[in-house]
Order: sequence, then structure tokens, then C-alpha cells
Amino acid sequence: GQNIDQPTEMTATEGAIVQINCTYQTSGFNGLFWYQQHAGEAPTFLSYNVLDGLEEKGRFSSFLSRSKGYSYLLLKELQMKDSASYLCAAGYQAGTALIFGKGTTLSVSS
Amino acid sequence: KAGVTQTPRYLIKTRGQQVTLSCSPISGHRSVSWYQQTPGQGLQFLFEYFSETQRNKGNFPGRFSGRQFSNSRSEMNVSTLELGDSALYLCASSLAGEDTGELFFGEGSRLTVL
Repeated sequence: GQNIDQPTEMTATEGAIVQINCTYQTSGFNGLFWYQQHAGEAPTFLSYNVLDGLEEKGRFSSFLSRSKGYSYLLLKELQMKDSASYLCAAGYQAGTALIFGKGTTLSVSS
Repeated sequence: KAGVTQTPRYLIKTRGQQVTLSCSPISGHRSVSWYQQTPGQGLQFLFEYFSETQRNKGNFPGRFSGRQFSNSRSEMNVSTLELGDSALYLCASSLAGEDTGELFFGEGSRLTVL
């Protein structure tokens, strides 16, 4: 099957920078998504990478290396509200059948 | 613009029963996907419907089924419920064109099977 691997938990302090890594299988790969999910809420879209390189969007950036099957989400100037689960998801076929990782729970402390 | 609406939000069933969950996508979105979320497995793809046709299907038993109506609203059904079916069922809609494939999720239906 197509496994998505990401760390289970990470901790950081306010104002810091954190990088959440994600690896995926490259065969048939279309694109890589990152979603944020606060406890008890629906996942919300953060970013989409289809080409190699870094995509920056405010305090959040996402990087993709297609040849290495690797992506990361970079969060800068961390705030308490960034405490959430970050879900890495890969698309492998037409339509919206995304394969999700189990999520990385990020805890931001003051 | 209203978001994705799922009903019911919470429900409790017993083993052997069946359940139907409903999802109303964002207006104009023609694709509806269903995902099961559990602490142990994370988000797992169930199926996707586009223009009333099932376009993709995940690796779930035949007890899990769905359909989509002409107004893009979708329902999923789980028959002969098992304890392991306890989960948050998330519906997501998208435009399903040549786009980023961004999914807009509903708040989910939390099913508890006793």
C-alpha cells in the first residue's frame, strides 16, 4: 500500500520555528497536501505541492522533493493557536482519494 | 457561503444495527468524499462520488456503501455495525475540476457502536 510517515508528536515554544517531516511512496504520486486539524474540529487546508521546491504562505511554508518522496511543513513564529494536528496527505490518482498520514500533534507552549 | 454540513453530529448505535450519515457539500461542489478517522489509523479514504457516480473506493468491506444525489448531497451507510466502526466520519467536498484538489471538510459525524 501507499504509506505516509510523519512523526507522532512534536513540541515547541512560542516564537520558535518547527519543521514537520513527511515521507511517502513515489510510485504514481500526483501531489502532496498539508492539513491542520484542531482538536474536535474539521481538518482545514494549508498547502498543496505538486512541483519540487518551497511554497511560502505567510508563517507557513511547505517543501516537496518528488525524487526523494519527501515533504516538510515549516511553521515560523509559532503561536499558541498553532497547537494542532498536522496531516500530511498524498494524492495518487485522479479525483480526491488522498492517502493521509496519521498526523503530527504539535504542542506549542509559552 | 455555507460550508460542508454533516448530520447527525453524534450518534450511538449497537452492534448489528445499520446507520445512515448525510453530507451536504458546499454549493457548486460536485465531488464528495468520505473518510473514517480513528485515533489508531488516522484518516482513511472510504469513497468518492462525482456527478452521482462512485469514482474511487477505498479498502473497506462491502458493509460500507454510499450514494450521491442529483443535488450533490451524499449519504453513506454502514450495515451490520461492529464495535470497530466507532469513529469520526468526515465528509469533504471539492470542485473536482483541474484544480489543487483542495478538500473542504465538514465537522464530522461521530459514531459510537456499543
